[in-house]
Amino acid sequence: DGGITQSPKYLFRKEGQNVTLSCEQNLNHDAMYWYRQDPGQGLRLIYYSQIVNDFQKGDIAEGYSVSREKKESFPLTVTSAQKNPTAFYLCASSIGGVGEQFFGPGTRLTVL
Amino acid sequence: QQPVQSPQAVILREGEDAVINCSSSKALYSVHWYRQKHGEAPVFLMILLKGGEQKGHEKISASFNEKKQQSSLYLTASQLSYSGTYFCGTPRAGLNRDDKIIFGKGTRLHILP
Repeated sequence: DGGITQSPKYLFRKEGQNVTLSCEQNLNHDAMYWYRQDPGQGLRLIYYSQIVNDFQKGDIAEGYSVSREKKESFPLTVTSAQKNPTAFYLCASSIGGVGEQFFGPGTRLTVL
Repeated sequence: QQPVQSPQAVILREGEDAVINCSSSKALYSVHWYRQKHGEAPVFLMILLKGGEQKGHEKISASFNEKKQQSSLYLTASQLSYSGTYFCGTPRAGLNRDDKIIFGKGTRLHILP
């Protein structure tokens, strides 16, 4: 079955620690995205990648970093520089930048 | 520029109809619609393209008005399963394949039995 997976589903970290969220897809999609979702804010784009070894900042990239070493994988690191990291994080992929997006189940990050 | 959705929230009884609007301040080339159930990932409903026909998905359909730079999502004879938050998304720049989608803040729909 093709799809997109994120792990873990829930993550708890202490303030000041970096944490990496996993995102894997087996849909053979070129484009991958990371979104942050807060109540009432919709989906805000953190980073996106159209091709391996290349990625661009989205609207709220400060305090986050990504890598795209493989087509299937697009991990997101939430660094200690992110002032308010507690949120629901969604990863998505699509064939092209404006195609239908397939979302993973999300990771809910809580920083204590 | 983020598309603007209205209303922000709707409460309906099962069987009633609803309309959700998505407006853009710039020319629209395409509009995406997604539904997200609480605690779950958004699920794709449909894409409407400039010059394309009105689309449908179950009893959910949508229209695209180029002049008004607006798309509307119609939910007919709503079912309990329609509850969730509906998002529209529009390309940031236009028809470029490498463009990215900007999402609205969402419309929360709650269906009562």
